[in-house]
Amino acid sequence: QQQVKQSPQSLIVQKGGISIINCAYENTAFDYFPWYQQFPGKGPALLIAIRPDVSEKKEGRFTISFNKSAKQFSLHIMDSQPGDSATYFCAAEGGGYQKVTFGTGTKLQVIP
Amino acid sequence: SAVISQKPSRDICQRGTSLTIQCQVDSQVTMMFWYRQQPGQSLTLIATANQGSEATYESGFVIDKFPISRPNLTFSTLTVSNMSPEDSSIYLCSVRTGGLFSYNEQFFGPGTRLTVL
Repeated sequence: QQQVKQSPQSLIVQKGGISIINCAYENTAFDYFPWYQQFPGKGPALLIAIRPDVSEKKEGRFTISFNKSAKQFSLHIMDSQPGDSATYFCAAEGGGYQKVTFGTGTKLQVIP
Repeated sequence: SAVISQKPSRDICQRGTSLTIQCQVDSQVTMMFWYRQQPGQSLTLIATANQGSEATYESGFVIDKFPISRPNLTFSTLTVSNMSPEDSSIYLCSVRTGGLFSYNEQFFGPGTRLTVL
C-alpha cells in the first residue's frame, strides 16, 4: 500500500532530447507527489511537486503529468542537458501521514 | 528553506564499534528525520527524531541499534551501534518546515558515508 513504483531504473538521453520517468502508486490516500533530484555526493533536493487536483504542472523545462484515475504520474524533462544528469526520485505522501514514500530512483545520463 | 550540515561527512569504522552522526539545522524545525540510502538505492526512513521525547522508529529499525537524540529544535544525533559491514551506507538527516499538517518542502543534509570493515 505504501509502495511507489518507478521506472526506468536508468535512462540515457541525448542532449536536447526529452527524458521521461514514470511512477505509479497504490495508496489512494496519497495527495502530494514531489520529485527529488540527487547529484552524486549530495542529499536529494526538491525539484517540482504536484497535488492531484491538477493534471499537469510545469516549471521551466520540468513538467509533471498526473493521472489520478490510473494512479500514475510522470516527470518530463524537456531539452535535456548534461547538467541534468542525476538520480531522480518520485515520491508520495498524504492522508495526514507526514512521511514521504520514495520511489526506487532513476539514474539519468544526458550525453552531449 | 533550511540548510543542514552533517558531521562526519564520511568515516571508515571497524566491525563492532559505534559511530555518532551529528545533524545541525540553521533554523528551528519541528520535524526531523533520519534516512539510510544504500549506494545507488532509494531512501529508507529509519526514524523520526522528536524533540523532547523518544524517536519514532520505522519497522525494521530499533532503538538499541540506532539510538537518536534530539535535544533541541536545531540539532539531532544518530548513533549506529555495534556496526557490521551491512551497516555500510549513506545516512541522511532531513527536516520539514511548516506545521504538522502542512505539505512543505523536505530538506536533506549532504549525508554521511559510512563504511564498516
